[in-house]
Amino acid sequence: TQLLEQSPQFLSIQEGENLTVYCNSSSVFSSLQWYRQEPGEGPVLLVTVVTGGEVKKLKRLTFQFGDARKDSSLHITAAQPGDTGLYLCAGGYYGGSQGNLIFGKGTKLSVKP
Amino acid sequence: DAGITQSPRHKVTETGTPVTLRCHQTENHRYMYWYRQDPGHGLRLIHYSYGVKDTDKGEVSDGYSVSRSKTEDFLLTLESATSSQTSVYFCAISTRTGTGGFEQYFGPGTRLTVT
Repeated sequence: TQLLEQSPQFLSIQEGENLTVYCNSSSVFSSLQWYRQEPGEGPVLLVTVVTGGEVKKLKRLTFQFGDARKDSSLHITAAQPGDTGLYLCAGGYYGGSQGNLIFGKGTKLSVKP
Repeated sequence: DAGITQSPRHKVTETGTPVTLRCHQTENHRYMYWYRQDPGHGLRLIHYSYGVKDTDKGEVSDGYSVSRSKTEDFLLTLESATSSQTSVYFCAISTRTGTGGFEQYFGPGTRLTVT
């Protein structure tokens, strides 16, 4: 069974701090997605990374896919209260016909003003 | 916005009653999914569909059935609701990326409470 482990499970920081959350697996993925979910809402796709070593930036968020395509990290610079939420990673398989993804359990981030 | 709606958004029902949740999409996506989300378990796949009348089980399918008679609608039925099925249910669709992988887009969720 393929698993995606996310760490830390919980993170509480002050506004303005930097943070990094991780998504790790023993399996190789063709692509990896990051989602953010706010209370009472569905997960929202932030980014997809597909190439080993790839780095993508979305404003203050930096996403990296590991060279071996088994892990990924999300770095937030100067966190703001609006970044509060549950961050989920999900791995996909190249050529998978059903489009199924494997989801991690998430990192719950709280940014205090 | 992938044009996904779920109904109802909230429901309270009694143990033993049947419940049907509806997922509706407006963009003709082939792949659709039902997940449940519970604290400590994350998102778990219940059933998925890869076309009209084509469905398959996910990791937590016991006690649930699905139907897809039209591309736009994917129904999840709890034949006889139990308290363990109290959860938040999400519908999702999947689209191919330019590099051959898939991305999923989620509906707003249905909060179901079984008393």
